[in-house]
This record gives sequence, structure tokens and C-alpha cells, in this order.
Amino acid sequence: DAKTTQPPSMDCAEGRAANLPCNHSTISGNEYVYWYRQIHSQGPQYIIHGLKNNETNEMASLIITEDRKSSTLILPHATLRDTAVYYCIVRVGGGAQKLVFGQGTRLTINP
Amino acid sequence: DSGVTQTPKHLITATGQRVTLRCSPRSGDLSVYWYQQSLDQGLQFLIQYYNGEERAKGNILERFSAQQFPDLHSELNLSSLELGDSALYFCASSVGTLGLNEQYFGPGTRLTVT
Repeated sequence: DAKTTQPPSMDCAEGRAANLPCNHSTISGNEYVYWYRQIHSQGPQYIIHGLKNNETNEMASLIITEDRKSSTLILPHATLRDTAVYYCIVRVGGGAQKLVFGQGTRLTINP
Repeated sequence: DSGVTQTPKHLITATGQRVTLRCSPRSGDLSVYWYQQSLDQGLQFLIQYYNGEERAKGNILERFSAQQFPDLHSELNLSSLELGDSALYFCASSVGTLGLNEQYFGPGTRLTVT
């Protein structure tokens, strides 16, 4: 699975959009970009995933660049409950589906 | 609530002892995964089972073993415990092994070895 690079920490004001970047310059054509988050010491929570098209669900939007070497997770209206560590994971589809977690980005939403 | 349950929530035991952590996957999910999260190693994949069979192995120590039962619940057995085994242990489940299935994580078991 391709390696990802994320900033160790970010701050965002409550109510504003939080944009979390992820670099995955060695991504292969069959690898997907996944985002999970972990609030405090709870179990990680799936947010969204995509291959090359932008994706949106009730939690967030995922913007993947055309060359697929980077992506941005967007939380459109961040709340205090969005304070968490966000993990960007790249992996192939199918087969053994272990998740390889990096250090992630610690996002702090400030009131 | 992810639908994945783990018991116990907390476990305190002494070095050299053996413990069993239990996981019940979401209804309908056939795959179960175990992860370990320690302060210095982060979240690490240990092992995966699919419908009772081992499918993938990660950084799992020989002192650790797991199994998945016919009712699909899984148990992680940790033996000859050492101080360094203190960690959060998460179980996750997904529908299957083919295709793209997001994993749903349980609340974890916090193991403290004294």
C-alpha cells in the first residue's frame, strides 16, 4: 500500500470548513483513498473513500487531484465534536483488507 | 454506535498472565480484524478472519492467537503478558473480503499489564 503524508496537527474555528490535506504521490492506479478518524481513544470511524472522482457523503467531501497524488478531506461546517485524529489511508481494493494507519492529523476545532 | 461490541472494556492483569478479549461483529459481517494501539506504535493490524478462517496476519506476536467461531464472534488470546502489551485492542468488522468494504470498529478493550 502506498505511503501517505499528513500534517501532524491543524486548527480550525468552529463553524468553518476544515480542509485536511494528504499526499500520496506513490499511489497506484488500483489504490483507493480512505479517511478514518479517531475521537479521543474511541474506535476509529470510517468517513469516506474514493478512487479518482470527488466524493461526498453526510459527513464530509473528498477531493482527489487529477493526478491522484494528493487529496483533501473537507468537513464543511466543523463542530467541536469533530476534534479528532484524522487518518488518510491508501489501499488496494479487494483481497486482504487490513488498514495501515500512519500518524494522522490531529485536528482541533476551536470555539 | 458502530454495531461492533467488545468485552471487557477494561482489563488489568499481571505480567505472565493470559487474557481473552472478545468481539462480536456487526450483524451480517463475515470479516473480523484485530488491531493494537499503543502509545509508541500507533494503530497496528494484528490479524484478520473471514467466516472462521484466518485470512491475513500482521504484526502479531507468537504469544497472541485469535479465532473466529461459527457464530462469527472472535476472540483474541494474549498469553505470557508483558508490560509492553499494555494497549488498546480494537476489533473491526466488514461485510467480506472482496470488494471495498469499510471497516467498523468497536469501542476497544484497554489492557493494562502491571
